[in-house]
Amino acid sequence: DAGVTQSPTHLIKTRGQQVTLRCSPKSGHDTVSWYQQALGQGPQFIFQYYEEEERQRGNFPDRFSGHQFPNYSSELNVNALWLGDSALYLCASSLNSEQYFGPGTRLTVT
Amino acid sequence: AQSVTQPDIHITVSEGASLELRCNYSYGATPYLFWYVQSPGQGLQLLLKYFSGDTLVQGIKGFEAEFKRSQSSFNLRKPSVHWSDAAEYFCAVGARNYGQNFVFGPGTRLSVLP
Repeated sequence: DAGVTQSPTHLIKTRGQQVTLRCSPKSGHDTVSWYQQALGQGPQFIFQYYEEEERQRGNFPDRFSGHQFPNYSSELNVNALWLGDSALYLCASSLNSEQYFGPGTRLTVT
Repeated sequence: AQSVTQPDIHITVSEGASLELRCNYSYGATPYLFWYVQSPGQGLQLLLKYFSGDTLVQGIKGFEAEFKRSQSSFNLRKPSVHWSDAAEYFCAVGARNYGQNFVFGPGTRLSVLP
């Protein structure tokens, strides 16, 4: 059983560009959450998707948006990238109350 | 609002010594509590969790944690540390209702001396 997978592993973008990160949840999991982890900090909750809708959102600007597909996979989109968006982006899937995390996508904005 | 504090930014212990990592939380009710470990450049691996019942929970890799409601704490312990335990450790709280977004602490970096 594959766990949570994320793509790409690493990404380098320029300020002002847009980026899309992808996540495939663990088999049978219907909820996907996204977190941003800046260097040296704990993960910060961005938003959560369930039944293809955004169910909860953290304190992130509208530049951060997402989508969940019928197969429960998800995308995180960030528009107008800032230098401060450089971070490890983690996806987590859950079925009940336990979240399983993917390896993350390392985004560098130059 | 939920919050998690981990008072120790960095801890160094000798291999074979015991370990305790501290975690305090602020939450309106009894939350779900978790400890995760993260090796450099990696994602998060769940060590253990507390939902209800016995306040002493056992996890993987020989770790255990004790939930103390009166102290709003969920400290992680291991009786004998191995060099491979060197990593970053995060405590997290999750709501008991739907939408289990987690609030993470800032993490404690563990170094192990040979």
